[in-house]
Amino acid sequence: SQTIHQWPATLVQPVGSPLSLECTVEGTSNPNLYWYRQAAGRGLQLLFYSVGIGQISSEVPQNLSASRPQDRQFILSSKKLLLSDSGFYLCAFKGGHNTEAFFGQGTRLTVV
Amino acid sequence: KQEVTQIPAALSVPEGENLVLNCSFTDSAIYNLQWFRQDPGKGLTSLLLIQSSQREQTSGRLNASLDKSSGRSTLYIAASQPGDSATYLCAVNLPGAGSYQLTFGKGTKLSVIP
Repeated sequence: SQTIHQWPATLVQPVGSPLSLECTVEGTSNPNLYWYRQAAGRGLQLLFYSVGIGQISSEVPQNLSASRPQDRQFILSSKKLLLSDSGFYLCAFKGGHNTEAFFGQGTRLTVV
Repeated sequence: KQEVTQIPAALSVPEGENLVLNCSFTDSAIYNLQWFRQDPGKGLTSLLLIQSSQREQTSGRLNASLDKSSGRSTLYIAASQPGDSATYLCAVNLPGAGSYQLTFGKGTKLSVIP
């Protein structure tokens, strides 16, 4: 069966520190991978998506970057966190445009 | 640009009541529409996926309908239970260059009162 793992579940980081959130998928190959951020009252905002290894599309210019070093691994990074980077980050995957999207359990990031 | 709207933003009902959640979208040229449930502090759980060629999908006490021409979908929950309390989100999958992307509504927060 298809599963998605995202970690850590919670993270408290000081302003200016680096960030690395990891997401891995099992039970499927060549998935489309996504990073979303969810802020209170603003809904889900698509940050990055990837249709293959090394292929990253950015939806919103910001302090974050994404990488896909392996087929089923998606990483969200920042070199220097800002207070505004605080939020709930969700990783997701789809097998194709007519398939279901599945989400990880999310990472609550608090930048202090 | 596709916009997805969910009204109401919050809904409170007594246990046992049947209820309907609404989702509307501005561009009817969608591949599919998906309903999710989100518990506080958790990720999204997929409930139902309706393809553009389908009119409805059912899973247990849940029934989702799709009317592409009017840009609307509804999620019907029968005999609501306190465990149904959560935020329900709908999302549409767009064609074209963004065919793998989902556009979400802001959700309806449902509270089922025992």
